Amino acid sequence: GAGVSQSPSNKVTEKGKDVELRCDPISGHTALYWYRQSLGQGLEFLIYFQGNSAPDKSGLPSDRFSAERTGGSVSTLTIQRTQQEDSAVYLCASTSMTGPYEQYFGPGTRLTVT
Amino acid sequence: GENVEQHPSTLSVQEGDSAVIKCTYSDSASNYFPWYKQELGKRPQLIIDIRSNVGEKKDQRIAVTLNKTAKHFSLHITETQPEDSAVYFCAARSTGGGNKLTFGTGTQLKVEL
Repeated sequence: GAGVSQSPSNKVTEKGKDVELRCDPISGHTALYWYRQSLGQGLEFLIYFQGNSAPDKSGLPSDRFSAERTGGSVSTLTIQRTQQEDSAVYLCASTSMTGPYEQYFGPGTRLTVT
Repeated sequence: GENVEQHPSTLSVQEGDSAVIKCTYSDSASNYFPWYKQELGKRPQLIIDIRSNVGEKKDQRIAVTLNKTAKHFSLHITETQPEDSAVYFCAARSTGGGNKLTFGTGTQLKVEL
């Protein structure tokens, strides 16, 4: 079946502009994560959605970052007033909470802020 | 919340040697421990996982061991090959934190010819 998809695959934006990144999880997966990965670095947790529970936003680096998940499926990560340090690959992942528990990653969106 | 520490951050081995990567976790309620491999420019992919009711699991050249008492788990790769060169991430799933998966900081493994 279809895996996790993300769009766009690449995004170049000017400093100060807002961007929206989209994630389509695997159908039926109730858990969805967003991560940020800078070049050569690890997986920086941003936000976690689990079913109808309140999202875990503890990893969002500033109030310029926000995310929503509509209808328990598609998620959008929004970065307002982008800065050069926001340049990174943004990865989305989804998991079934009823097992197996493997977390499936999307291909990522490479964001470049000029 | 859960905290996962991973060591070493970089590891260089000769082809054919074994490689061991170690992780510790803080939440005794964690019950699922996967390992992910990320090749350059690609997304992380699961290579092996272990649940808290098992002490060891093997899959060909890779194995994972879990010590619940000490709250640590390890990845063992035997007979390393150049294609094993990648970044490896450990993770722990905490039932007390909404079943959230927390990743370690990663280990860059380089297998030299």
